[in-house]
Amino acid sequence: AQSVTQLGSHVSVSEGALVLLRCNYSSSVPPYLFWYVQYPNQGLQLLLKYTSAATLVKGINGFEAEFKKSETSFHLTKPSAHMSDAAEYFCAVSEGGYNKLIFGAGTRLAVHP
Amino acid sequence: NAGVTQTPKFQVLKTGQSMTLQCAQDMNHNSMYWYRQDPGMGLRLIYYSASEGTTDKGEVPNGYNVSRLNKREFSLRLESAAPSQTSVYFCASSPPRASTDTQYFGPGTRLTVL
Repeated sequence: AQSVTQLGSHVSVSEGALVLLRCNYSSSVPPYLFWYVQYPNQGLQLLLKYTSAATLVKGINGFEAEFKKSETSFHLTKPSAHMSDAAEYFCAVSEGGYNKLIFGAGTRLAVHP
Repeated sequence: NAGVTQTPKFQVLKTGQSMTLQCAQDMNHNSMYWYRQDPGMGLRLIYYSASEGTTDKGEVPNGYNVSRLNKREFSLRLESAAPSQTSVYFCASSPPRASTDTQYFGPGTRLTVL
């Protein structure tokens, strides 16, 4: 069965600093991977997804993620954090033919001045 | 274009009461999903519907039933609510059944069972 592990339930960075949110997956088949963001009291929205085209994927709001098969990782990065990036971030893997998503536990990102 | 809408936004139930959470999408998507979100556990799939007229169990289906009323609507029913069902419930939809399709989420229903 596929699974996702997000290292660090809480990450705190200064405004302007690098954001690095870690995600490792377990899958017996080539995975399709997603990063979603959840702002307070809202639903989830897609940041970016890996679908076996380019290994470096660019998403919205300046975020990007790199698929590394050898490390079974799909870490999310942003060069310079903004206060508006404070949210919870979820990594997910798609399972099966019906696009069922398996989510990680989430990482809450705090950005301080 | 409202996207995915959910009603109600908040609900408090007593143990043993029943209720139905409503979800509708206006994007002409085939697939719809119900998830629950609990602290430290991410989102877990309760049920999904790959197309109108079909439903299947997800990871945590016990205590829930679903109905795919038509292409737009997918409801989740709790027949006899339990405190363990206190959670935030999200409905989502996606285009045809491809593993790479984006899922679009509603704003959620926050349910408390006393």
